[in-house]
Amino acid sequence: AQSVTQLGSHVSVSEGALVLLRCNYSSSVPPYLFWYVQYPNQGLQLLLKYTSAATLVKGINGFEAEFKKSETSFHLTKPSAHMSDAAEYFCADRGEAAGNKLTFGGGTRVLVKP
Amino acid sequence: DTEVTQTPKHLVMGMTNKKSLKCEQHMGHRAMYWYKQKAKKPPELMFVYSYEKLSINESVPSRFSPECPNSSLLNLHLHALQPEDSALYLCASSQEGNQPQHFGDGTRLSIL
Repeated sequence: AQSVTQLGSHVSVSEGALVLLRCNYSSSVPPYLFWYVQYPNQGLQLLLKYTSAATLVKGINGFEAEFKKSETSFHLTKPSAHMSDAAEYFCADRGEAAGNKLTFGGGTRVLVKP
Repeated sequence: DTEVTQTPKHLVMGMTNKKSLKCEQHMGHRAMYWYKQKAKKPPELMFVYSYEKLSINESVPSRFSPECPNSSLLNLHLHALQPEDSALYLCASSQEGNQPQHFGDGTRLSIL
């Protein structure tokens, strides 16, 4: 069965430091990958999506992600963390699933230290 | 501001009550979804509607009853819920195919 794995349920970074969130997928068909962010008491907001047009994808709020087929990875990065980046981040794959289903990773909570 | 609107934002109900959650989108999306999200967990898919027809039911208990009156509206009717049903209920919509889903801010449901 298809799965999405996010390494690290919690990540703590200092303000201004690099943010790196890891995501690995397992689907055997070309994946359609998404990163979402969830702020407290809100729904999920789309950060960026990979749909095979380019391996380096730029998203909102200064985030970007690189698709590496050889590593089955789609890691999310931001060069300089802001306090406002503190949130829960989810990686998801549309890949093999039928009927518009998304497979979510377990999520990574980002804490930004001043 | 989200383009998927959910009401109410908060709901407290007893185990014998009947209530409904509502979701509305005006983006012309033809697929709509209900998710349940427990604290510190990813969303769990409950139902998918495609072109106003139920296409996926993830073995959800019958005390949850979805309804799609038209292409813009999605309801979730609740009856005889259990305390473990307390969660954040998220609605989402998307175009068909491999397009991203757009989420509402959810309804925080508490069962007494």
